[in-house]
Amino acid sequence: DADVTQTPRNRITKTGKRIMLECSQTKGHDRMYWYRQDPGLGLRLIYYSFDVKDINKGEISDGYSVSRQAQAKFSLSLESAIPNQTALYFCATSAVDRDGYTFGSGTRLTVV
Amino acid sequence: GENVEQHPSTLSVQEGDSAVIKCTYSDSASNYFPWYKQELGKRPQLIIDIRSNVGEKKDQRIAVTLNKTAKHFSLHITETQPEDSAVYFCAASRRGTSYGKLTFGQGTILTVHP
Repeated sequence: DADVTQTPRNRITKTGKRIMLECSQTKGHDRMYWYRQDPGLGLRLIYYSFDVKDINKGEISDGYSVSRQAQAKFSLSLESAIPNQTALYFCATSAVDRDGYTFGSGTRLTVV
Repeated sequence: GENVEQHPSTLSVQEGDSAVIKCTYSDSASNYFPWYKQELGKRPQLIIDIRSNVGEKKDQRIAVTLNKTAKHFSLHITETQPEDSAVYFCAASRRGTSYGKLTFGQGTILTVHP
């Protein structure tokens, strides 16, 4: 089935380490997004990309960077992880002519 | 940018009762309003959405209403069941434009007691 896959599912890392979260999709969607979920804060947009050559900052991009390697792949990097980046991270995709998102299964990141 | 406020943050009901979750938005140009349900340990899933050219939409036990003038929209769940227990998120966006990213509310934890 066409889907959105995130790796890893869980990750514990140390403060100051660089870490990459990966997202790949088989839905053929052009648009991809990275959100983080924190209790009581909902889902907040980190970065989004409307096609391979288009990268845009979201509301909380500080401390993060992204790479759109192909239509199907969108990676999120934490250059130097800090404890307040501990959160559940979701990748999502959408089609140009459709409104709804398809979410990946999430990556639970803990920075110690 | 868009700002979406969602209330209440938690909601507890008895099985069979109705549940209502409310959201307000700030950008009068927003025209697409989806609702997502996230069960424990799972990804958010779209359950219903509404566009600004209609005021209400129903799908079995769930319905969404939209008041464009007041810039608020609500999710109504009737005859609640334990399997409705989840976190619910509202969201808003400008459909069909390069602004098509969703802005989410803070979420509501709904608990349905048997």
